[in-house]
Amino acid sequence: SQKIEQNSEALNIQEGKTATLTCNYTNYSPAYLQWYRQDPGRGPVFLLLIRENEKEKRKERLKVTFDTTLKQSLFHITASQPADSATYLCALDLSGGYNKLIFGAGTRLAVHP
Amino acid sequence: EAGVAQSPRYKIIEKRQSVAFWCNPISGHATLYWYQQILGQGPKLLIQFQNNGVVDDSQLPKDRFSAERLKGVDSTLKIQPAKLEDSAVYLCASSKRQGGTGELFFGEGSRLTVL
Repeated sequence: SQKIEQNSEALNIQEGKTATLTCNYTNYSPAYLQWYRQDPGRGPVFLLLIRENEKEKRKERLKVTFDTTLKQSLFHITASQPADSATYLCALDLSGGYNKLIFGAGTRLAVHP
Repeated sequence: EAGVAQSPRYKIIEKRQSVAFWCNPISGHATLYWYQQILGQGPKLLIQFQNNGVVDDSQLPKDRFSAERLKGVDSTLKIQPAKLEDSAVYLCASSKRQGGTGELFFGEGSRLTVL
């Protein structure tokens, strides 16, 4: 069956360190993958999109990699800050271009001063 | 630019009662989604509209859930009758593109508690 897996355990890191979050999937061949941030009581907010033919994408302190052989995406936040504390969701397009996104359960990140 | 508007933000009902949620997407966005997010889980797609046509409703429990998008703009999601397991946040999202890739813009959600 199809599955998206994100670290279920919360990730605790020290301020200034790099946070690395993992998104693994099975039995999918997504055309692209997106990462969202969700704060408690709020809707998800889009961060980055990476296509299957792209290995890496960067935006300010954020970096996403996409390995279609390993069926894995890594999401990095460099020089992390307490304000980065949130749940991060990965989402895969299953529709081959109709923007039908399926979300993982998310990983909660806590950045400590 | 105004964001995706949803109402009500909170609703508490008894099981077997009915409830309706309303969503107003960002102006000009062709695609509208309803997601259900149960506590501790990721959003689960219930239904996707392209303008006022349904693209995908394979995960919508059609015996109790219904959704419509009149004139390709606002949308309502109805649950009748509600069950305890329907307690969740119902998220509405919209995206600009007609097909193809694009980010989703989410509303703040409507939190439903079924007692």
